[in-house]
Amino acid sequence: GENVEQHPSTLSVQEGDSAVIKCTYSDSASNYFPWYKQELGKRPQLIIDIRSNVGEKKDQRIAVTLNKTAKHFSLHITETQPEDSAVYFCAASGNAGNMLTFGGGTRLMVKP
Amino acid sequence: DAGVTQSPTHLIKTRGQQVTLRCSPKSGHDTVSWYQQALGQGPQFIFQYYEEEERQRGNFPDRFSGHQFPNYSSELNVNALLLGDSALYLCASSFLPRVPGELFFGEGSRLTVL
Repeated sequence: GENVEQHPSTLSVQEGDSAVIKCTYSDSASNYFPWYKQELGKRPQLIIDIRSNVGEKKDQRIAVTLNKTAKHFSLHITETQPEDSAVYFCAASGNAGNMLTFGGGTRLMVKP
Repeated sequence: DAGVTQSPTHLIKTRGQQVTLRCSPKSGHDTVSWYQQALGQGPQFIFQYYEEEERQRGNFPDRFSGHQFPNYSSELNVNALLLGDSALYLCASSFLPRVPGELFFGEGSRLTVL
């Protein structure tokens, strides 16, 4: 089955700096890669996603890049703000429906 | 428009007991998936229901079972509870299971097994 590795497990940045979180996946059939943000005690919420037919997608301060050859994808957050502090999860889904395989999560701390 | 609702929000059980968790999907969604999230880890897929049938299953034992009702709501049942079953159980709904797309998660049911 699919295996998703996520790094780093914790990331601390100063407000205004950029943050990058990286994920690798094992199943070359995976074609959908979402990123979820989970605040303490809250549900995971989708912040951005990318499909295998594009290499990059941006939404204001957030961007995701995908390298299908290397089987890795990354989340980039620019101009970080304290409210960006949360746990971020990458995930992958293949042709077997939208069952998601999640990475282990990255705890992002943005220091004011 | 109500999102995904789950009940109960918290519950405590003892080893060997049985538990039932409930989920109502987001309006317009017909597919319900269940995930287990242990503390400090990413969610793990348990199973998915569509048209009242289990369509996909993750690597979970038969102690975990489910059901989907005609109104698309769903239940997750866990029998013979173990300490290791303590986790946040997340329900997620979506539309058309064959097309990968956004899953909408509920706030979860936090199960503690003593």
